[in-house]
Amino acid sequence: QSALTQPASVSGSPGQSITISCTGTRNDVGGYNYVSWYQQHPGKAPKLMIYEVTNRPSGVSNRFSGSKSGKTASLTISGLQAEDEAEYYCSSYTSSSYWVFGTGTRVTVL
Amino acid sequence: QITLKESGPTLVKPTQTLTLTCTFSGFSLSTTGVGVGWIRQPPGKALEWLALIYWNDDKRFSPSLKSRLTITKDTSKNQVVLTMTNMDPVDTATYFCAHNHDTSAYDYWGQGTLVTVSS
Repeated sequence: QSALTQPASVSGSPGQSITISCTGTRNDVGGYNYVSWYQQHPGKAPKLMIYEVTNRPSGVSNRFSGSKSGKTASLTISGLQAEDEAEYYCSSYTSSSYWVFGTGTRVTVL
Repeated sequence: QITLKESGPTLVKPTQTLTLTCTFSGFSLSTTGVGVGWIRQPPGKALEWLALIYWNDDKRFSPSLKSRLTITKDTSKNQVVLTMTNMDPVDTATYFCAHNHDTSAYDYWGQGTLVTVSS
């Protein structure tokens, strides 16, 4: 069971767009559209931002969007804002019927 | 409104068994497609998925921890219980429970409970 691979950190200036990648295998990201993304502020529980690769839950800003190509999923944050500074995790369902999370990406707003 | 809350000991000794309870409201664990999962996070580290129980009592476990984990549900009490045997200091973490629907994603989370393993 290996964690999905994410960059340790990504940064951008307010108003810019950033993209976080999440790389897995054909047995998880590459094989299923059950990829989700979570935002976590320090000391808080994770918050679902994207589910099933591209879908946003009600109440999540449309500045957040998801996509997938092959074994790599991506989260894009457009119009970066100070409140977006947080840790972001991807997750995927796997062929062995369990879930795996990513290594996490720290987003810094410069 | 869906809410979940974890409860259990804050401190356990090495080799002991940890028992955590997730008490939830706003949904029923007898509804088709619904599940409750457990995820943990060591201090300063990434999330790690542990286990999930479905409405039909189907259970899934992390392969690396399967031998140490048990998950059960009490539908009448709206509770899910996770037990982890043979606790070790490396199991020190915040443990979260979360709602899952149709395998898709974990859309509602508890606040988490910090469990420290130390003698």
